[in-house]
Amino acid sequence: QQQVKQSPQSLIVQKGGISIINCAYENTAFDYFPWYQQFPGKGPALLIAIRPDVSEKKEGRFTISFNKSAKQFSLHIMDSQPGDSATYFCAARYTGTASKLTFGTGTRLQVTL
Amino acid sequence: DVKVTQSSRYLVKRTGEKVFLECVQDMDHENMFWYRQDPGLGLRLIYFSYDVKMKEKGDIPEGYSVSREKKERFSLILESASTNQTSMYLCASTHGGSYEQYFGPGTRLTVT
Repeated sequence: QQQVKQSPQSLIVQKGGISIINCAYENTAFDYFPWYQQFPGKGPALLIAIRPDVSEKKEGRFTISFNKSAKQFSLHIMDSQPGDSATYFCAARYTGTASKLTFGTGTRLQVTL
Repeated sequence: DVKVTQSSRYLVKRTGEKVFLECVQDMDHENMFWYRQDPGLGLRLIYFSYDVKMKEKGDIPEGYSVSREKKERFSLILESASTNQTSMYLCASTHGGSYEQYFGPGTRLTVT
């Protein structure tokens, strides 16, 4: 079963707008929640990550919000740009494993002019 | 820069063939992973390895096996390819304890 549920499956945002992607998890044995960004023809690459004892982390235009009690976290992309058009995956790392991750199903983001 | 390379970008095989997908990383990472990526299903872990000759099943190991004879190389083997194994295959590596996995560019495998 899907350990991390991600929505929406696709998203269209106008340039300058805010893109929001949501994820929810069930297993509490996760200790890190990274987000990966994948451009066409490339493998995913780490974008930003958060620990469960932190409620928010910001890096430039990208912010993760984390709600531990609700077991939900989200990625916000402020001032979205056409260059942000990509597929985004949320993930969760299993505690005490060899960096094993479980991924969400992905969100294809398109930023229009 | 960390580099993860995969032996082929595109591969077409026939049903029943034995298929080898190779992955090499140049950063002395302990952990290596094989995923398959399908639309609407995201990245699903097939197998991973945390040391030479060590392997563990992921979420969807059926129909696959792996080999890790050297630290830098991790191979995915499809013993008898089937059409439902048509997919994008991604290899990744990481240092022990890191949540940052470094991915290769992927191999798009088509089984006809």
